[in-house]
Amino acid sequence: AQSVSQHNHHVILSEAASLELGCNYSYGGTVNLFWYVQYPGQHLQLLLKYFSGDPLVKGIKGFEAEFIKSKFSFNLRKPSVQWSDTAEYFCAVGGRGSTLGRLYFGRGTQLTVWP
Amino acid sequence: EAQVTQNPRYLITVTGKKLTVTCSQNMNHEYMSWYRQDPGLGLRQIYYSMNVEVTDKGDVPEGYKVSRKEKRNFPLILESPSPNQTSLYFCASSPGPVGDTNTEAFFGQGTRLTVV
Repeated sequence: AQSVSQHNHHVILSEAASLELGCNYSYGGTVNLFWYVQYPGQHLQLLLKYFSGDPLVKGIKGFEAEFIKSKFSFNLRKPSVQWSDTAEYFCAVGGRGSTLGRLYFGRGTQLTVWP
Repeated sequence: EAQVTQNPRYLITVTGKKLTVTCSQNMNHEYMSWYRQDPGLGLRQIYYSMNVEVTDKGDVPEGYKVSRKEKRNFPLILESPSPNQTSLYFCASSPGPVGDTNTEAFFGQGTRLTVV
């Protein structure tokens, strides 16, 4: 069965610290991978996406993620976080070849950045 | 502007009183979905639709109905809401299956529903 695991439920950092949020997935085929961010009281926004090609993808606001196929991972990184990065982050997977139009989401990681 | 629009944004209702949350997209997308978001559980799919008059259950369909009579609209219906349906609901649309190459989903702003 398809599943997405986010290892950190709540991460607390000081401004300028580096960030890495883990995401592992289970799916028996080729996947599209996404990271979404949800700022307090707002809707989901796409941070970045991976379809194919260079496994290191860059998104908005200085975020990047690396797809490691052998580890079924798609970890999110940012070299220096800001207070405005405080939000909840969701990893999501869409299975290639699936006709269900479904995204599988992790449970989310709440990031709190102290100024 | 390309967007997915949900209404209402906030709703408080009583147990058993039928309600409908509307969702509309202006991108001519074939695929539409409803998700609910609960703390610690992430987003779970309720129903999805691959085209007009084609709908199917997602992971948590109990207590919900949907319809897809027009391509742009995909309302979520709660015939008899219960407190365990208190949640944050998101509608999403995509041009095709989100597993397809270069296909991503676009989300609405969410509807926060409280059932008392």
